[in-house]
Amino acid sequence: QTVVTQEPSSSVSLGGTVTLTCGLTSGSVSTGYRPSWYQQTPGQVPRTLIYNTNTRSDGVPDRLSGSILGNKAALTITGAQADDESDYFCLIYMGDGISVFGGGTKLTVL
Amino acid sequence: QVTLRESGPALVKPTQTLTLTCTFSGFSLITNTMSVSWVRQPPGKALEWLGRVDWDDDIWYSKSLKTRLTISKDTSKNQVFLRLTNMGPVDTATYYCGRLRTTSNSFDYWGRGTLVTVSS
Repeated sequence: QTVVTQEPSSSVSLGGTVTLTCGLTSGSVSTGYRPSWYQQTPGQVPRTLIYNTNTRSDGVPDRLSGSILGNKAALTITGAQADDESDYFCLIYMGDGISVFGGGTKLTVL
Repeated sequence: QVTLRESGPALVKPTQTLTLTCTFSGFSLITNTMSVSWVRQPPGKALEWLGRVDWDDDIWYSKSLKTRLTISKDTSKNQVFLRLTNMGPVDTATYYCGRLRTTSNSFDYWGRGTLVTVSS
């Protein structure tokens, strides 16, 4: 069974740029997989950031962007701020109505 | 204004069946592209997509839970139900329902979640 992979952890300096990725154990992520990205801080409800690969949800600043990089979906954060320190999850559409979340990336802002 | 709220027991015993209700407002589940999906998150762990019920009555399940999970809806009451049989300690989690748009396969609204603990 195909698993959705994310870096378990990543770090970025305050004001810096970081890219989180979302891949598959078998195959490549393309726009057809409709990747979306969610931010979650401990004890809070997930917040939708990006859908359809690169469309920002309402209220999401343009320093967050989604793309396909190589064979993975990517979430890039530029000008990192302290409140970007969160867990980030991607969701991939596997077809036949089924979706799968990645294991999440814990982002630390240094 | 779209809202979703999960309700159900906070504690279930091993082998029991969990039934949760998602009560929503601000949209109709008979409207094209609308879907309500269930997600869970064990303490300190990742989100897990469980399944969804669509505006056209299609229902889809995670492959790993397909044999234990039933999702249904009552459109007249704006409610979606989750039924998970043979609960075990690994099913301890916060269970969320959310509105999912089928065209983008993404969540745009989430409930606050309800913590379900499996313990004797």
